[in-house]
Amino acid sequence: AQSVAQPEDQVNVAEGNPLTVKCTYSVSGNPYLFWYVQYPNRGLQFLLKYITGDNLVKGSYGFEAEFNKSQTSFHLKKPSALVSDSALYFCALLGSRGASGTYKYIFGTGTRLKVLA
Amino acid sequence: DGGITQSPKYLFRKEGQNVTLSCEQNLNHDAMYWYRQDPGQGLRLIYYSQIVNDFQKGDIAEGYSVSREKKESFPLTVTSAQKNPTAFYLCASSISGTDTQYFGPGTRLTVL
Repeated sequence: AQSVAQPEDQVNVAEGNPLTVKCTYSVSGNPYLFWYVQYPNRGLQFLLKYITGDNLVKGSYGFEAEFNKSQTSFHLKKPSALVSDSALYFCALLGSRGASGTYKYIFGTGTRLKVLA
Repeated sequence: DGGITQSPKYLFRKEGQNVTLSCEQNLNHDAMYWYRQDPGQGLRLIYYSQIVNDFQKGDIAEGYSVSREKKESFPLTVTSAQKNPTAFYLCASSISGTDTQYFGPGTRLTVL
């Protein structure tokens, strides 16, 4: 079965501290993984993706994510959090739709990040 | 959100009415998608289209309909058969079905 889990509904971090937003996945075969951010009443903005290659992926706004195959995780990180990073973060897995041969995104339920001044 | 527009931003509907949400993209993407977002449930796929004049049902297609007559346009109709249509609707597009999806700003639909 293909799935994505974001185990934390909310993460609080002080401004200037490092942040981590967790994501784990389950898929047969090689995973394609994505992180998106959503600000209130807005669409999702693409942050970064892992397809293959280096396990540390760098993305927009200073974010990076670490792919760990043995732990089936793809955690989002930032060395120093900003108040403006406060938003809803989604992890997504590109999974197959089985016999149809097409693919679809499987989204996690989202993690609300709150950066405290 | 650049390159994908959705209109209107807010939409109010009376029970029993059909409404159509617009989605346009100028990214020359082949694939387009409609998602529904409810609090605490992430995004759920309603319909998707990988090419003009073709579309497929997603996970929650009941009560919705779409068309894909032009590459740049993928309107979604919420019919009176959709029992709980109040939600935030997001349109997305990608170069192909296995590429990064880019999202529009969304339409918030409220049934009165």
